[in-house]
Amino acid sequence: QLQLQESGPGLVKPSETLSLICSVSSGSISISSHSWGWIRQPPGKGLEWIGSIYYSGSTNYNPSLKSRVTISVDTSKNQFSLSLSSVTAADTAVYYCANTTKSNWFGPWGQGTLVTVSS
Amino acid sequence: EIVMTQSPATLSVSPGERATLSCRASQSVSSNLAWYQQKPGQAPRLLIFGASTRATGIPARFSGSGSGTEFTLSISSLQSEDFAVYYCQQHNYWPLTFGGGTKVEIK
Repeated sequence: QLQLQESGPGLVKPSETLSLICSVSSGSISISSHSWGWIRQPPGKGLEWIGSIYYSGSTNYNPSLKSRVTISVDTSKNQFSLSLSSVTAADTAVYYCANTTKSNWFGPWGQGTLVTVSS
Repeated sequence: EIVMTQSPATLSVSPGERATLSCRASQSVSSNLAWYQQKPGQAPRLLIFGASTRATGIPARFSGSGSGTEFTLSISSLQSEDFAVYYCQQHNYWPLTFGGGTKVEIK
C-alpha cells in the first residue's frame, strides 16, 4: 500500500514561510483515484485540515489558512508540497500528509513531522 | 463550518468490554463521516469511512453507524491495542472538520 513521508525544517522563524514535502512510495502520485492532503495537530491538541489537492490539479484550502497556504504536486518526483507563509507560534504543530480521495477521507497518513515556530 | 462534537472526552473501559463513542455534527453531513484511531506518537489511522464502511485491514470488532447528525463508533470487545484516541471527521462539506477526540483508556 501507499507509503508517505514528510520532510522539511523542524524549526521556522516567525514571519517566515514553512515548506514541507511529502514523498509518496509504493504507488504513483498521478493515478486518477489519488488525491493528497495536509493535516496538522498542535502539541496535545486535535486535528486541523489544512488543504487538499486533487488529481485534476484543483485545490481546496481551509478558509482559516487560505490566504497563507499553497499545496502543489510534482509528478516527476512523486511528491507533493505544502507552503505556509507568515507563520507565527500558533502554527507550531505536527504536520501530516495523507492520501485522500474525491470523497475526502484520509488514509494512509505519513508519520508526521514536528514544526516549531520560534526565533 | 460544521462543528463536530465527540463524547465523552474520556472513556474508561476494561479489556474485553464494549466501547461506544459518539460524534455529533452541528448540521447534517449525510453519511459522510470517518473515524480515525491515534496512538501516542503515531499518525492517525483510518478506521471507518462513509459512516459504516471499514477501511482495509480494520478488524470486524470496529463498527460505525449513524447518519445525519448523530454517529457512533463501537468496539465490540476491547483489545489492549485499542486503547487510543479516536477522532471523527465529516467529509461532506468544506472545510473538512474533525471532532475533538475521545480517549479510550484502561479501566
